[in-house]
Amino acid sequence: GQQLNQSPQSMFIQEGEDVSMNCTSSSIFNTWLWYKQDPGEGPVLLIALYKAGELTSNGRLTAQFGITRKDSFLNISASIPSDVGIYFCAGQWYGNNRLAFGKGNQVVVIP
Amino acid sequence: NAGVMQNPRHLVRRRGQEARLRCSPMKGHSHVYWYRQLPEEGLKFMVYLQKENIIDESGMPKERFSAEFPKEGPSILRIQQVVRGDSAAYFCASSSRVLENTEAFFGQGTRLTVV
Repeated sequence: GQQLNQSPQSMFIQEGEDVSMNCTSSSIFNTWLWYKQDPGEGPVLLIALYKAGELTSNGRLTAQFGITRKDSFLNISASIPSDVGIYFCAGQWYGNNRLAFGKGNQVVVIP
Repeated sequence: NAGVMQNPRHLVRRRGQEARLRCSPMKGHSHVYWYRQLPEEGLKFMVYLQKENIIDESGMPKERFSAEFPKEGPSILRIQQVVRGDSAAYFCASSSRVLENTEAFFGQGTRLTVV
């Protein structure tokens, strides 16, 4: 199956700092999605990207669809305690109705 | 507009029993997807259904697992003769149309524990 690589696995940041996370793939994707998952809950969609090069913001979140269509990044600015959680990237490729997920980035915000 | 509803939230089964997981998609959504998540892992695709049809079950184990999405009622993921390795969180997602240029929204999941 499709493999998405997210690194690092865990990030510890001070409240107020920005944090960036990256997702790469050996395959080309049609759509990139970023989800956040809190403990015991389902993934919640943060940002969806549909075009190579697209840069999209949602409040303090900004995400980009890489030009090569094989990567995406998510940036959180001015982090706050409720940003704690696991952030997953997911990709969907042309003609296929499933999402491939990365293993997630655990973000911990230190007050 | 209610989101994707899954029940039960938690399910405990003894080895050899059957597990039935239910998913009601968002209103107006006719595409349903089931994913499995093991601890500290990402979600893995299992099956994609539209009303009354299985479209893609390439992620489903060949034995003991089945899924349906009847004309009326929720989608059901059924696991027969459960084993300890089936313990995981099972998530359902739905979309209003095929996934290209649209989003899938997830339910809160069912956490299955096999004892």
